[in-house]
Amino acid sequence: DGGITQSPKYLFRKEGQNVTLSCEQNLNHDAMYWYRQDPGQGLRLIYYSQIVNDFQKGDIAEGYSVSREKKESFPLTVTSAQKNPTAFYLCASSVLGQGASGELFFGEGSRLTVL
Amino acid sequence: GQSLEQPSEVTAVEGAIVQINCTYQTSGFYGLSWYQQHDGGAPTFLSYNALDGLEETGRFSSFLSRSDSYGYLLLQELQMKDSASYFCAVRGAGFQKLVFGTGTRLLVSP
Repeated sequence: DGGITQSPKYLFRKEGQNVTLSCEQNLNHDAMYWYRQDPGQGLRLIYYSQIVNDFQKGDIAEGYSVSREKKESFPLTVTSAQKNPTAFYLCASSVLGQGASGELFFGEGSRLTVL
Repeated sequence: GQSLEQPSEVTAVEGAIVQINCTYQTSGFYGLSWYQQHDGGAPTFLSYNALDGLEETGRFSSFLSRSDSYGYLLLQELQMKDSASYFCAVRGAGFQKLVFGTGTRLLVSP
């Protein structure tokens, strides 16, 4: 089945540690995204990528880093510089192009807790 | 920048009709989307409006007025399983960048 796989589903981290969240898609989508969701809040864009080896900062990129070495993979690293990293992280992908409906396909999310 | 406003919570009973409004401010506009998210789950796409008017998909309909920077999601024949959060999202300047509202929590009671 085509879809987006995020791992791990739950992750605990000590302060000062970097962690990397995995996101893999087999939908052959060009665009991929990382969003952060805090309790009772909407989704805030961290980074997005439209093509391999290229990505752009979203609204809250500070303390995060990404890479896009392969079309199907878009890992997110939460660095120790991120002041409040405890959150629910969602990866998504979409088809590119003006005619596209803009539909995002989301993974099941990774819940990061900093101890 | 871009901003979206939607009510934080709406309550309704089974079988009723509910409308969730969304107003937006954006530099450039390509379309308004709606997503549903159950607690702890992933958002799922419901609808997309690029042009003015009403789009109907089963029990759900979505409306857009670009001149008013306004849209709404209409849910008919409410079911308990419709209890979830609903987000509007705009695709504005920078076509691939989708910005979400803070969400409306819909509680459907028997």
